[in-house]
Amino acid sequence: GENVEQHPSTLSVQEGDSAVIKCTYSDSASNYFPWYKQELGKGPQLIIDIRSNVGEKKDQRIAVTLNKTAKHFSLHITETQPEDSAVYFCAAIKVFDRDELVFGAGTILRVKS
Amino acid sequence: NAGVTQTPKFQVLKTGQSMTLQCAQDMNHNSMYWYRQDPGMGLRLIYYSASEGTTDKGEVPNGYNVSRLNKREFSLRLESAAPSQTSVYFCVINEQFFGPGTRLTVL
Repeated sequence: GENVEQHPSTLSVQEGDSAVIKCTYSDSASNYFPWYKQELGKGPQLIIDIRSNVGEKKDQRIAVTLNKTAKHFSLHITETQPEDSAVYFCAAIKVFDRDELVFGAGTILRVKS
Repeated sequence: NAGVTQTPKFQVLKTGQSMTLQCAQDMNHNSMYWYRQDPGMGLRLIYYSASEGTTDKGEVPNGYNVSRLNKREFSLRLESAAPSQTSVYFCVINEQFFGPGTRLTVL
């Protein structure tokens, strides 16, 4: 089955700097890669996703890149703000294939002001 | 969490008691999942249902059963609760929408 590894486990950045979180997946047939943000005491919320037919997707300060050959995808947050502090999870799945959604272990992002 | 409801929000059980966690969605999506989240363990899949009428085991199914009652509802049952099942349980819809979670404590 699919295996997703996420790095780093913790990340501290200065407000205004960029943050990058990387994930690798094992199943080359996976075709949907969502990213979630979990704030303290809340459930994860989808913040951005990418499908295997796209190499990059942006939404304001957040972007995701996908390298299918290397089987890795990354979350990029620019101009970080204190409210970006949270736990971020990546995931991978073969959509439409009766498959399970597999999560990375999570990254604790701290933005220092 | 729009369109996804979970009940109850909190529950305390004694070892050996049973209970059912309910999840319902109004978004007409096919796939529904049950995850548990424990400190340091991330999100682990218990069971999932790719569509109405189908259910499959995930990474940690022991001690749980599920029912995909219809397209809207996917319930998780603990027949005989154990302290190791103390966790936060999330229902996920269509790989995109998390429910608000159920915080379960088993004494």
